[in-house]
Amino acid sequence: GENVEQHPSTLSVQEGDSAVIKCTYSDSASNYFPWYKQELGKRPQLIIDIRSNVGEKKDQRIAVTLNKTAKHFSLHITETQPEDSAVYFCAATLSSNTGKLIFGQGTTLQVKP
Amino acid sequence: DVKVTQSSRYLVKRTGEKVFLECVQDMDHENMFWYRQDPGLGLRLIYFSYDVKMKEKGDIPEGYSVSREKKERFSLILESASTNQTSMYLCASSFGDSEQFFGPGTRLTVL
Repeated sequence: GENVEQHPSTLSVQEGDSAVIKCTYSDSASNYFPWYKQELGKRPQLIIDIRSNVGEKKDQRIAVTLNKTAKHFSLHITETQPEDSAVYFCAATLSSNTGKLIFGQGTTLQVKP
Repeated sequence: DVKVTQSSRYLVKRTGEKVFLECVQDMDHENMFWYRQDPGLGLRLIYFSYDVKMKEKGDIPEGYSVSREKKERFSLILESASTNQTSMYLCASSFGDSEQFFGPGTRLTVL
């Protein structure tokens, strides 16, 4: 079946460093790629998303890049802060156009002060 | 402000009991989803619904059923709870192929 692979599963960085999380997807018809942040004990919340007609999108310290040919997309966080510590999930839509998302396994990011 | 609510934050049930988890959204979204979240396994889709009375199986539907009688409400039913269904259950809703909004989650423990 269709799937999304996410790496790494855990990531530890020093405050101020950059963090990169990578995902690959299998459905070539996927056209929407959101990233969610889930803080401990809270619900997942969207932090940035990208559609297949765009190669890169930025929002302050967060950016997402998409390579449709290679079927992978990445989350980049610059100047990390302790409040960036959370679990991050990537996801991709399926071609069925039902709004269904396939999620990656998650990356636990720890930012050390 | 967007809102997805779930009927309980914490629930403790016994093996064999019938369990109802309810989700309500106030955004008039046509799509609603039930996920199960376990450490290291991410968010796994149990069932989803793209319209009233319409439902489709997700990746792990065994042992679960759903009901969507009204657009704003999507219920997850565990017909006979088992210990391996102890987990965090998250509901979400969306409009088309766009952001899914999540509820706060229900942590279910089956003893």
